[in-house]
Amino acid sequence: GQQLNQSPQSMFIQEGEDVSMNCTSSSIFNTWLWYKQEPGEGPVLLIALYKAGELTSNGRLTAQFGITRKDSFLNISASIPSDVGIYFCAGGGTSYGKLTFGQGTILTVHP
Amino acid sequence: EAGVAQSPRYKIIEKRQSVAFWCNPISGHATLYWYQQILGQGPKLLIQFQNNGVVDDSQLPKDRFSAERLKGVDSTLKIQPAKLEDSAVYLCASSFSAGNQPQHFGDGTRLSIL
Repeated sequence: GQQLNQSPQSMFIQEGEDVSMNCTSSSIFNTWLWYKQEPGEGPVLLIALYKAGELTSNGRLTAQFGITRKDSFLNISASIPSDVGIYFCAGGGTSYGKLTFGQGTILTVHP
Repeated sequence: EAGVAQSPRYKIIEKRQSVAFWCNPISGHATLYWYQQILGQGPKLLIQFQNNGVVDDSQLPKDRFSAERLKGVDSTLKIQPAKLEDSAVYLCASSFSAGNQPQHFGDGTRLSIL
């Protein structure tokens, strides 16, 4: 089946630093979504991308849908302690809305 | 608007026992999803409903898992009998419709099998 490779697996950064993470696949996806999950909670949608090449921002977060439709990246600028959590990419490949999730990137921000 | 509601939040059972989870999606959302999230992994889709019909259950272990959405709103997911490898968080999500609509997740039920 479809698989997503998300990297890095974990990041330890200082408050104020910028963060970049990405997702790649051998399959083409029609949509890319980025979620954040905190302990004991469900994933929360951060950004949704619907078109190849699309660049979308949500506050300090910026995500792009790769031209090849096989990758996406998420950038977080000027990180703060509340950015701590697990970030998941998810690719949507069919008209039925089924999502395939990456393994997640664990982000730790040191004050 | 109220989010996706799930209960219970936690469940501990012994292997071979049965367990059921309940989900109430966001009002007006026609599409409902059940995911299994094993520790350290991303969520994996188990089953997708469009109203009260099943759209995709290709990854549902049908010998022990079952799910229903009889009136097209609430849904239950059942495991009978449970195995040790079923220990996971079971997440419910909903979207306005199928296709390219963003999915919104509940906080999940954490299941531990002893």
